[in-house]
Amino acid sequence: QVQLQESGPGLVRPSETLSLTCTVSGGSISSYYWSWFRQPPGKALEWIGYIYSSGTTKYNPSLKSRVTISVDTSKNQFSLKVSSLTAADTAVYYCARHTAYQLPMAPQYNYHYLDVWGKGTTVTVSS
Amino acid sequence: DIVMTQSPLSLPVTPGEPASISCRSSQSLVHSNGYNYLEWFLQKPGQSPQLLIYLGSNRASGVPDRFSGSGSGTDFTLKISRVEADDVGVYYCMQDLQDRTFGQGTKVEIK
Repeated sequence: QVQLQESGPGLVRPSETLSLTCTVSGGSISSYYWSWFRQPPGKALEWIGYIYSSGTTKYNPSLKSRVTISVDTSKNQFSLKVSSLTAADTAVYYCARHTAYQLPMAPQYNYHYLDVWGKGTTVTVSS
Repeated sequence: DIVMTQSPLSLPVTPGEPASISCRSSQSLVHSNGYNYLEWFLQKPGQSPQLLIYLGSNRASGVPDRFSGSGSGTDFTLKISRVEADDVGVYYCMQDLQDRTFGQGTKVEIK
């Protein structure tokens, strides 16, 4: 079955840019939406943004100015960059897949639910 | 932003007994297509979230039928008919009508 694996540095300095990659195995990255989430220590989950395999993106408005998500279909990977890091960006970062579900009572719509998650990678922002 | 509020935040449960978690949104989660854009997740200790319920009441693949979701508009409920020890963890509701926002989480633990 499809598996997701996040990778990247565990420690990043304040004001620098974080770069994470999510590698998709056991299936194709094409024709799916893919999201990034994060979870600060002891806190709730936060959605960062998503990308479609064609490259279309949408970001959380609270992070939009500092976030870029990209996709490399040849490598079956998508990536996250977060700039101008502060201690508040310290979190476990997760990538996840959205699967399309055609709505029975409204077949012109597809709903995209989050069905596969990576194990997460811990990122600490500290000097 | 749509704000999601869960209650209770902590829920001690007895195995074999039912349990219920409430989730309220600051505005209606009914899409123009008539469906409620709400998901429930369980995050077991040390693990990533796992989908339980989507569209307010649809059980995800492989989820035991002791889990059920209900509600519409701004008020939603996740029910566990008979709690098992493996059900411990933090439960989150998430709206995906406008971007995605989560509730604070409800920690379920065995009494």
